[in-house]
Amino acid sequence: SYELTQPPSVSVSPGQTASITCSGDKLGEQYASWYQQKPGQSPVLVIYQDSKRPSGIPERFSGSNSGNTATLTISGTQAMDEADYYCLTWDSSSWVFGGGTKLTVL
Amino acid sequence: QVQLVQSGAEVKRPGASVKVSCKASGYTFTSYAIQWVRQAPGHRPEWMGWINAGNGNTKYSQKFQDRVTITRDTPANTAYMELSSLRSEDTAIYFCARLGPSAFDMWGQGTMVTVSS
Repeated sequence: SYELTQPPSVSVSPGQTASITCSGDKLGEQYASWYQQKPGQSPVLVIYQDSKRPSGIPERFSGSNSGNTATLTISGTQAMDEADYYCLTWDSSSWVFGGGTKLTVL
Repeated sequence: QVQLVQSGAEVKRPGASVKVSCKASGYTFTSYAIQWVRQAPGHRPEWMGWINAGNGNTKYSQKFQDRVTITRDTPANTAYMELSSLRSEDTAIYFCARLGPSAFDMWGQGTMVTVSS
């Protein structure tokens, strides 16, 4: 079965740039989306179709997807961005989530 | 505004079934598919299946296809997910989500299902 791999944790200082990767075989040939999940809350879509931002999502969130890796970038990271982040893609017959990355803003 | 509101928490015995509802509002229910996703404590979300709310067609994850049934009631703008033969490993939060452009663009608040004897 298809797998998406994310680093378990990423740390960033306030105001700096955080990058979270999601790796999977030929991931760049499918759309990737990204979700932010804070404790006790439902996931929230922050990036869809690799690089598009839903309305209401701050411009500091951006995404890219090429080759085997999709990347979520948060520029000027704020304390409120501390959360778990999951990538998602469609693989021929099922939706597949990445293992999740805990973003810590130190 | 677009909203998905799920039914309340459930506690079930092993071997029982559970049926979770997801009521949509703020958009045309039949124009979008509804996904069902579960998340065990400390684990990644796990896709279970979906229903095309317009024509009722369904697709299930291989992992769950023998135990899950997803239905919808179009006059009530509501989708349902029923999971049978429950075991302790099915203890999780169950979410419904709307399928937007290649992504799940709106999520319900989640329904905690606890399986315990």
